[in-house]
Amino acid sequence: QVQLQESGPGLVKPSETLSLTCTVSGGSMSIDYWNWIRQPAGRGLEWIGRIYTSGYIDYNPSLKSRVTMSVDTSKNQFSLNLRSVTAADTAMYYCARGPSGWFYFDYWGQGTLVTVSS
Amino acid sequence: EIVLTQSPGTLSLSPGERATLSCRASQSVPSSYLAWYQRKPGQAPRLLIYGASSRATGISGRFSGSGSGTDFTLTISRLEPEDFAVYYCQQYGNSPQTFGQGTKVEV
Repeated sequence: QVQLQESGPGLVKPSETLSLTCTVSGGSMSIDYWNWIRQPAGRGLEWIGRIYTSGYIDYNPSLKSRVTMSVDTSKNQFSLNLRSVTAADTAMYYCARGPSGWFYFDYWGQGTLVTVSS
Repeated sequence: EIVLTQSPGTLSLSPGERATLSCRASQSVPSSYLAWYQRKPGQAPRLLIYGASSRATGISGRFSGSGSGTDFTLTISRLEPEDFAVYYCQQYGNSPQTFGQGTKVEV
């Protein structure tokens, strides 16, 4: 069974970069797309972007100017960097798998709360 | 982008009752590319339905999805205690993919 686990700092200062890593276990990363999704408190889910092991990347236009994603198949990990964060970026961040290139998500991590505050 | 509106915001029901959750899109969802997820506190979201009506692997037959165009429904035929949770719809037929605000099914 595929499992995903997010890791990274729970507190980031305003204007700095939020960096998270998702570790994938129980399966190969090779044929699927790997996504980041977030949910601010009291608000809906927002798709951030996805990456394929070939390096193909697709970002939500609303965040594209601040987001970078990368993948390291040797470690079965993919990462998210979100630059110039503000309080509006405070959210629960999830990583999730998009099976075989589909845009729905069949496996999710439990999520990690990131707070932006000085 | 397509805006998804879920209703009701909260559904108060008892175990054994039928739950009907609605997801309405601001424009037609191409190819009925709509999914439903269940989320419980402290747990990872779980995929229930994709393609508007296809159950994900391991999902009980009491969950069913229907609809097309702009109107979609998730039905839970007989609520079990473990079904009380928040449910989200997601459209993935139009980029960027978007989610509804969620419906909480409570006892």
